[in-house]
Amino acid sequence: DAKTTQPTSMDCAEGRAANLPCNHSTISGNEYVYWYRQIHSQGPQYIIHGLKNNETNEMASLIITEDRKSSTLILPHATLRDTAVYYCIVSVYSSASKIIFGSGTRLSIRP
Amino acid sequence: DAGVIQSPRHEVTEMGQEVTLRCKPISGHDYLFWYRQTMMRGLELLIYFNNNVPIDDSGMPEDRFSAKMPNASFSTLKIQPSEPRDSAVYFCASSLSGTSGTYEQYFGPGTRLTVT
Repeated sequence: DAKTTQPTSMDCAEGRAANLPCNHSTISGNEYVYWYRQIHSQGPQYIIHGLKNNETNEMASLIITEDRKSSTLILPHATLRDTAVYYCIVSVYSSASKIIFGSGTRLSIRP
Repeated sequence: DAGVIQSPRHEVTEMGQEVTLRCKPISGHDYLFWYRQTMMRGLELLIYFNNNVPIDDSGMPEDRFSAKMPNASFSTLKIQPSEPRDSAVYFCASSLSGTSGTYEQYFGPGTRLTVT
């Protein structure tokens, strides 16, 4: 039972920032937000995670609202290789061995 | 590191046959996961191990499915007997726990199983 709501699909122009939203209105205090992506015919790939502070790594930035009921994954300069299904997942961190994938957002990057 | 290794990459078998999928996790990782992905059901967690011990097998669909992890570097997922509805891509993933949990799972390339 996914605890998140994401748009089914989105598109973005190459070179622009891709902003992928996720709603998680029932998130608990000890639950983190994780993002994974799955490029066609490959296994899912971890992108980033966060609790309440904004996070940034070499792949993306994660912006979590103050009430933690929603978040946005930002790919700052999207390329064609970023075309994939992006999964937003909520899970407890300390025992985060069990990750439940929802249906995700299919992001298409157009040239 | 070679990453998570799965074999075979493709398997075609007839209904009723036994199928064995294999996984070699990343060296040093203490968690191993088996997932199944279909168009209808998406990506489902079947079972996961910690230090070679099965922790949660609630996702295993039925008794025809079994998984083992005899040592830290090898795991199998067996289907006996196989049925057409078992056709899917099966992923193995591993992760390393620390003081902060196991948030980053590394997935293998998957095994595409077709049961005719």
